[in-house]
Amino acid sequence: GAVVSQHPSRVICKSGTSVKIECRSLDFQATTMFWYRQFPKQSLMLMATSNEGSKATYEQGVEKDKFLINHASLTLSTLTVTSAHPEDSSFYICSATPVETQYFGPGTRLLVL
Amino acid sequence: QKEVEQDPGPLSVPEGAIVSLNCTYSNSAFQYFMWYRQYSRKGPELLMYTYSSGNKEDGRFTAQVDKSSKYISLFIRDSQPSDSATYLCAMSVNAGNMLTFGGGTRLMVKP
Repeated sequence: GAVVSQHPSRVICKSGTSVKIECRSLDFQATTMFWYRQFPKQSLMLMATSNEGSKATYEQGVEKDKFLINHASLTLSTLTVTSAHPEDSSFYICSATPVETQYFGPGTRLLVL
Repeated sequence: QKEVEQDPGPLSVPEGAIVSLNCTYSNSAFQYFMWYRQYSRKGPELLMYTYSSGNKEDGRFTAQVDKSSKYISLFIRDSQPSDSATYLCAMSVNAGNMLTFGGGTRLMVKP
């Protein structure tokens, strides 16, 4: 199957700092990548759709100025959590589609102190 | 009512049992159906992918889609303790498009 990586796998930061999470498709090109957020014992919640070379599409209720998405190449999308606060602590997962279905990265656990 | 319904479990079975996991949905436009397995603190792993109605088998896993009933199933034969995880059904209208997930079913296979 297709391989999607994420970096870092885990990050702890102080409140008010910004954190960047990278999502890479390792063996295929992805014009579209997706960013999800998952709280404990809950399903995935789509945050935004990242499109290579254009602006991301955010889901209702997701602050685009808070969660900056950049899809600069066909294999890399980044999510930057700006001025992070404790309520932003969560598990962030990206996915990419080589052909017909989505393959997920291993996730990034963010803890904001 | 959620667009995709899935029993959260937990579902506890003995090793070697046949496991049946199910989802129902309301949007008749869904055409692509997937099952993902998610271990704790890991990203979802694609198990099965089916287009439209029918059955698909891969090793110990069988996926069934009944579009007339808006019902999909995943069967796991000879279940193993390593199958203990949360299973998520997901579906989409178009290929590679936004997925709609069920809430996930937590499965525990006891040795």
